[in-house]
Amino acid sequence: QKEVEQDPGPLSVPEGAIVSLNCTYSNSAFQYFMWYRQYSRKGPELLMYTYSSGNKEDGRFTAQVDKSSKYISLFIRDSQPSDSATYLCAAGGYQKVTFGTGTKLQVIP
Amino acid sequence: GAGVSQSPSNKVTEKGKDVELRCDPISGHTALYWYRQSLGQGLEFLIYFQGNSAPDKSGLPSDRFSAERTGGSVSTLTIQRTQQEDSAVYLCASISAGALFYEQYFGPGTRLTVT
Repeated sequence: QKEVEQDPGPLSVPEGAIVSLNCTYSNSAFQYFMWYRQYSRKGPELLMYTYSSGNKEDGRFTAQVDKSSKYISLFIRDSQPSDSATYLCAAGGYQKVTFGTGTKLQVIP
Repeated sequence: GAGVSQSPSNKVTEKGKDVELRCDPISGHTALYWYRQSLGQGLEFLIYFQGNSAPDKSGLPSDRFSAERTGGSVSTLTIQRTQQEDSAVYLCASISAGALFYEQYFGPGTRLTVT
């Protein structure tokens, strides 16, 4: 079993929709939780991070972590075609990031 | 400024041959990571450098894989006697001094195909 599990999708939504991306993790030692975005043929880029449980908002993006259920979520409001990418959830404790497999998102104009 | 660069961008090799993949981190970045990304497996950690030392090489899948970093800058990942299961995209990432471990800047990757 992978330490970070993520539904690979693909997920296809119309422009303007609210997108919900979710992951679960198994390692209780994880303290940091991240979302990376990866466009086709590019390396991932850090989108958001959260320390421990709670919510964090950045523009149209909200990251949420529930350590009691070991659940990581990313919400995208008013989704745009430019949001079409693969979204990787990740978690870590010290010096090492453990990634999920990524969810491919397509936002249709 | 310039980002992380990797070369070659694509590499096709025959089974059994050795390959070298190169990573040029952002100038001044002290930490460097190598990952492997294959379909259905996501990003798998291979090795981490702090300066020229590798405190964590636990992700290297076999002794056919090795990596080095010289001058606190360029890193080379070498795969000996390549196998078809080595086919994947190999990504490196670098981190600036004082940044947190997840603040990684990734290169575009080297797509390795073993025939």
